[in-house]
Amino acid sequence: DVKVTQSSRYLVKRTGEKVFLECVQDMDHENMFWYRQDPGLGLRLIYFSYDVKMKEKGDIPEGYSVSREKKERFSLILESASTNQTSMYLCASRAQGPAKNIQYFGAGTRLSVL
Amino acid sequence: AQKVTQAQTEISVVEKEDVTLDCVYETRDTTYYLFWYKQPPSGELVFLIRRNSFDEQNEISGRYSWNFQKSTSSFNFTITASQVVDSAVYFCALSEAGGGADGLTFGKGTHLIIQP
Repeated sequence: DVKVTQSSRYLVKRTGEKVFLECVQDMDHENMFWYRQDPGLGLRLIYFSYDVKMKEKGDIPEGYSVSREKKERFSLILESASTNQTSMYLCASRAQGPAKNIQYFGAGTRLSVL
Repeated sequence: AQKVTQAQTEISVVEKEDVTLDCVYETRDTTYYLFWYKQPPSGELVFLIRRNSFDEQNEISGRYSWNFQKSTSSFNFTITASQVVDSAVYFCALSEAGGGADGLTFGKGTHLIIQP
């Protein structure tokens, strides 16, 4: 089974802090994704990566950056956390190729910025 | 631009009733994939089904069935004889078929409540 692990289920941070959300997958997938989920808005794509050290902006990248130094790990970084970044963050991974485009998700990190 | 609409924000039924979750999509691509995911209270999105745009056959898996109609751009999900464990938020999603790393376009989800 595919395993996508997010390091924290719950985080509480203060405005202005630098926040790291970590995600690790164990299936040697090329592609990894970060989404945020908000009530009434569904899931929205923040950033994705199709290879080590490669990244692409999604629909809502403002206020976020990412890092992918190793294939299995994809980090989401909030450079200076703000209250409007309070949300549920979901990481996903998938293999390359149209026949393998099922995304597998982690359990999510619920971030509160006070 | 791609778009997925789940018009039902919340549905509440009594256990053992059948329930259908609607999903309507928009895309300019001729080749695309549609997905359904389940999000139980624990938070993790669980993959349920994938359908490509060339396969309009309906699919049945136990109590779950999916009806894909290209003519109406719909991909509806029916649960037969619902159970309390089916309570969750269900998301319909769409992606292009290029095999690239583009993310999924999600609907806003339907919160399904099955009452005992």
